[in-house]
Amino acid sequence: RKEVEQDPGPFNVPEGATVAFNCTYSNSASQSFFWYRQDCRKEPKLLMSVYSSGNEDGRFTAQLNRASQYISLLIRDSKLSDSATYLCVVRSGDSNYQLIWGAGTKLIIKP
Amino acid sequence: NAGVTQTPKFQVLKTGQSMTLQCAQDMNHEYMSWYRQDPGMGLRLIHYSVGAGITDQGEVPNGYNVSRSTTEDFPLRLLSAAPSQTSVYFCASSRKATDTQYFGPGTRLTVL
Repeated sequence: RKEVEQDPGPFNVPEGATVAFNCTYSNSASQSFFWYRQDCRKEPKLLMSVYSSGNEDGRFTAQLNRASQYISLLIRDSKLSDSATYLCVVRSGDSNYQLIWGAGTKLIIKP
Repeated sequence: NAGVTQTPKFQVLKTGQSMTLQCAQDMNHEYMSWYRQDPGMGLRLIHYSVGAGITDQGEVPNGYNVSRSTTEDFPLRLLSAAPSQTSVYFCASSRKATDTQYFGPGTRLTVL
C-alpha cells in the first residue's frame, strides 16, 4: 500500500463548479499535511497547509481527519486557471521530517 | 532573488555516461534536497542536506552522489547512467527541514 494515496483523475469539471479531492495516508504518526499544485511541466508549488481545525484560503478549503487518516481539498467556483495537478503531501512522523508525496490528482476545468 | 535554479533544463545521456545536475539557491537556506518524479508516482527523495558539509540519503539514493561544499550549491551526480534513471529531477530548498520547500524548475533527463 502506498503511504499517500490519491485518485489520479482526471477530474473534468465545468467552470464555476465545486470540486473536491481526497487523499489518504497510512502513517498515523504523520505530523503535517499540505496541498501542492503542479502545472504541466512545471515545479510543484505550495497551495496551502492543512490544519487540524480545517482552513480556508479564498475559494480553497482544506480539511484533515486524523481518525480516518484522510485530507481533503475543496475548490469552489472553479476557474480555468485552476486546471493543474494537485499533490497531497504528508510530513513523516519520524526524526528526519521527510515529505511523502502522493502521485497527484489531475483537474481539468472546462469552459 | 533568483530563488532555486537548476541546470541543465534538458539532458540526453547514453547508458554508462556520468553527469552532474546543478542546483543553486540564493535564499541562504540551510536545507536542500533532490527529488525525482516519475509518471504515476509521487516525488521521491534521493538525497538531502541540512547544511554545508552534511548530506544524507533519502528513499532512492542508489546510483546518485551529492556534496554540499557551500550553502548555495547542491549538485547531484549520476555515476553511471541507466535507463531507469530517466526522470524529471527537482531540487528544493527551505530555511530549515520543517519549513516550506521551494522548488527549482526541474531537469528532464533521458537515458538511452
